[in-house]
Amino acid sequence: EDQVTQSPEALRLQEGESSSLNCSYTVSGLRGLFWYRQDPGKGPEFLFTLYSAGEEKEKERLKATLTKKESFLHITAPKPEDSATYLCAVGSGSARQLTFGSGTQLTVLP
Amino acid sequence: GAGVSQSPRYKVAKRGQDVALRCDPISGHVSLFWYQQALGQGPEFLTYFQNEAQLDKSGLPSDRFFAERPEGSVSTLKIQRTQQEDSAVYLCASSTHRDTEAFFGQGTRLTVV
Repeated sequence: EDQVTQSPEALRLQEGESSSLNCSYTVSGLRGLFWYRQDPGKGPEFLFTLYSAGEEKEKERLKATLTKKESFLHITAPKPEDSATYLCAVGSGSARQLTFGSGTQLTVLP
Repeated sequence: GAGVSQSPRYKVAKRGQDVALRCDPISGHVSLFWYQQALGQGPEFLTYFQNEAQLDKSGLPSDRFFAERPEGSVSTLKIQRTQQEDSAVYLCASSTHRDTEAFFGQGTRLTVV
């Protein structure tokens, strides 16, 4: 059974204080690892897909990296508008669906 | 449309009432997924369609849950005889292929009273 664990559950940062969110996973045959952002009352918004260990992707202040056991979402010099819940999900084997972690609730204080 | 559209956004149902939740996926997207999200948790898989075929319904929690996509575009999730434990946000997502990123709608928040 696929498992995804995200840490920390919640993170409070000062504006400009860089940090990383962790996503550890156990899957049988990774098809892809996905990062989503979710604002309160909204559906998840797609950020990145990573397919193989060593792969990295960047978008504005966000950078996602992937190893064989975990993924990191690095946030550089965050702003208050980066406050949201960040969800990690994996697709594996022949399963069509994604398995999600519980998310990291990020709060960036001005 | 530009994105996945779900309706209604909010639904309050009395226990025992039947409800129907609608999803309009992105035009041309073959794959359609339904997820259930409890407060403070990540989405959990309910069911998957490829065009009009329901290929996986292993996540449906009971036989009170039923989903259809008769013409391969719009999908409806129906819950019969709603229970309080059915209260959650129901999310629909679509993608061009099962291995590509899925785009989510805003969700329907169902509250059973």
